[in-house]
Amino acid sequence: QTVVTQQPSFSVSPGGTITLTCGLSSGSVSTSFYPSWYQQTPGQSPRTLIYNTNTRSSGVPDRFSGSILGSKAALTITGAQADDEADYYCVLYLGSGIWVFGGGTKLTVL
Amino acid sequence: EVQLVESGGGLVQPGGSLRLSCAASGFTVSNSYMSWVRQAPGKGLEWVSVIYSGGSTYYADSVKGRFIISRDNSKNTVNLQMNSLRVEDTAVYFCARLNSYAFSGWGQGTLVTVSS
Repeated sequence: QTVVTQQPSFSVSPGGTITLTCGLSSGSVSTSFYPSWYQQTPGQSPRTLIYNTNTRSSGVPDRFSGSILGSKAALTITGAQADDEADYYCVLYLGSGIWVFGGGTKLTVL
Repeated sequence: EVQLVESGGGLVQPGGSLRLSCAASGFTVSNSYMSWVRQAPGKGLEWVSVIYSGGSTYYADSVKGRFIISRDNSKNTVNLQMNSLRVEDTAVYFCARLNSYAFSGWGQGTLVTVSS
């Protein structure tokens, strides 16, 4: 069974830069998996940040960017702000109508 | 404006059934890929099912054979029939529209609790 891996938690200082990653239990992530990223704060529905590896969703500030770094998909937040504190999820399309979410990264800004 | 509103959640006993509905506005579900994603209390997001515009349906292994996704074009809704429910199916269920293989629009979610 394919597992999508994310760092469980991360901390960043206000104004800092952080890169969250999204990998596969076996194999490398490529653009063919159409990686996308979501932000979720407690009690809220997820918010779509990035789709198709590096395309920002409407209204998402450009300090959020997506890429492939080595064998993983990556979400970089540049100039972190207090309201970036949230859970971040990636999801990969495995083909044949199947999507798998990563376990999520809890980001703390302090 | 794209809007998704889920309904139908509630408390059900193990082994029971429940039918969720997702009412869409601002677009036509029959022309879209529509999906259900769930989130157990305090846990992460889990993809559940998808229905393609052509009608093909797919399921996560955890619900295959128990859940059925469908749509009602006349009402512009997507439904999730959940049978043989288990305690581990307890979650908030979100409806989402897919675009470019990503979940581009989300509803507010509906809570399903499976408990005796």
